[in-house]
Amino acid sequence: KNEVEQSPQNLTAQEGEFITINCSYSVGISALHWLQQHPGGGIVSLFMLSSGKKKHGRLIATINIQEKHSSLHITASHPRDSAVYICAVFTSGTYKYIFGTGTRLKVLA
Amino acid sequence: DVKVTQSSRYLVKRTGEKVFLECVQDMDHENMFWYRQDPGLGLRLIYFSYDVKMKEKGDIPEGYSVSREKKERFSLILESASTNQTSMYLCASNRPGGAGGYTFGSGTRLTVV
Repeated sequence: KNEVEQSPQNLTAQEGEFITINCSYSVGISALHWLQQHPGGGIVSLFMLSSGKKKHGRLIATINIQEKHSSLHITASHPRDSAVYICAVFTSGTYKYIFGTGTRLKVLA
Repeated sequence: DVKVTQSSRYLVKRTGEKVFLECVQDMDHENMFWYRQDPGLGLRLIYFSYDVKMKEKGDIPEGYSVSREKKERFSLILESASTNQTSMYLCASNRPGGAGGYTFGSGTRLTVV
């Protein structure tokens, strides 16, 4: 079993829909990172959080440390949101991240 | 704007060739990382470096080596490329403790034929 699990693996939505991507982890962490990867490969950071909730534009990320679970929400989705969304946990006391395998999102116009 | 720059976006190499993938960062970060990304497997750590001339094996170091002669530059070397090394390679950097998260390069898609 992977230490970081994401669901769903693939998601197709209609423009305007509310989208939720989930991340569960089984290790002790000091932070959790949501990343976005567009076709072509480059990865950009969306959020880094260790508690509570963060919001940036139409994106909201939440984390529940006790339940070892995080969600990424996209409100009013748009075709330009189509990308792979990756959850990564920064494990306690190490230099390294553990990555989920990603959620491939496609938003249709 | 801070940057991690990978020298090539796309590379095609022949089996048995020695391949160099270069990564340069301008953020004065101590830590640098090389990952490969394959469908269904996510990002897997090949090697990382926490200082000049220092290196540590990641999860899948076999068939690879690295070089860090200067703080800003971290090179990944495929000593004798094989077809199973066809992949997307991503470089990243951060500060010790990772408080600022990772900054990733734009990736190099390597095809070995």
